[in-house]
Amino acid sequence: KQEVTQIPAALSVPEGENLVLNCSFTDSAIYNLQWFRQDPGKGLTSLLLIQSSQREQTSGRLNASLDKSSGRSTLYIAASQPGDSATYLCAVQMFTGGGNKLTFGTGTQLKVEL
Amino acid sequence: EAGVVQSPRYKIIEKKQPVAFWCNPISGHNTLYWYLQNLGQGPELLIRYENEEAVDDSQLPKDRFSAERLKGVDSTLKIQPAELGDSAVYLCASSLQTIGTQYFGPGTRLLVL
Repeated sequence: KQEVTQIPAALSVPEGENLVLNCSFTDSAIYNLQWFRQDPGKGLTSLLLIQSSQREQTSGRLNASLDKSSGRSTLYIAASQPGDSATYLCAVQMFTGGGNKLTFGTGTQLKVEL
Repeated sequence: EAGVVQSPRYKIIEKKQPVAFWCNPISGHNTLYWYLQNLGQGPELLIRYENEEAVDDSQLPKDRFSAERLKGVDSTLKIQPAELGDSAVYLCASSLQTIGTQYFGPGTRLLVL
């Protein structure tokens, strides 16, 4: 059974700091890995999707890396802003007997302070 | 283009009462998902539809939960009867194909008293 772990569970940083969120998974037979953002009381917004054959993806100030063999991914946020405050979830997609399955971590709650 | 629409946004009911949630996916998205998210946890898949067919309902508690997607577009998730432990956020998502980015709705926050 795939298990996804995110460290740290919560993080508070001053504005402007660069930061790294970590995600690890136990089964490396994944199809892709996705990073989502969730604001309080809202649904999830997809940030980045990395295919299993890729090493990283970038979008603006966000960079996600994937090391499938070691079961790790990191989300790097450059020059953090208060608007980045949210919960960040990683999820791995893999094939099961009935099709694909997305397994989520428990998230990292980020607070960027002025 | 409109995103995934869910209603109601909030629902408070007493235990043993029935409740239903509605989801309208993004137009053209064949795959629809219902997830359950408990406080402080990531979403967990309840059921996945490919068009009108439920292709993965292994995590759906079938004694009290049911779902349908009759015309392969809108979907309804029902709980009858609701229990205290069902208090959570119920998220609907859709994707163009089986593999790819899933787009999530805002969720329905259920409180069972």
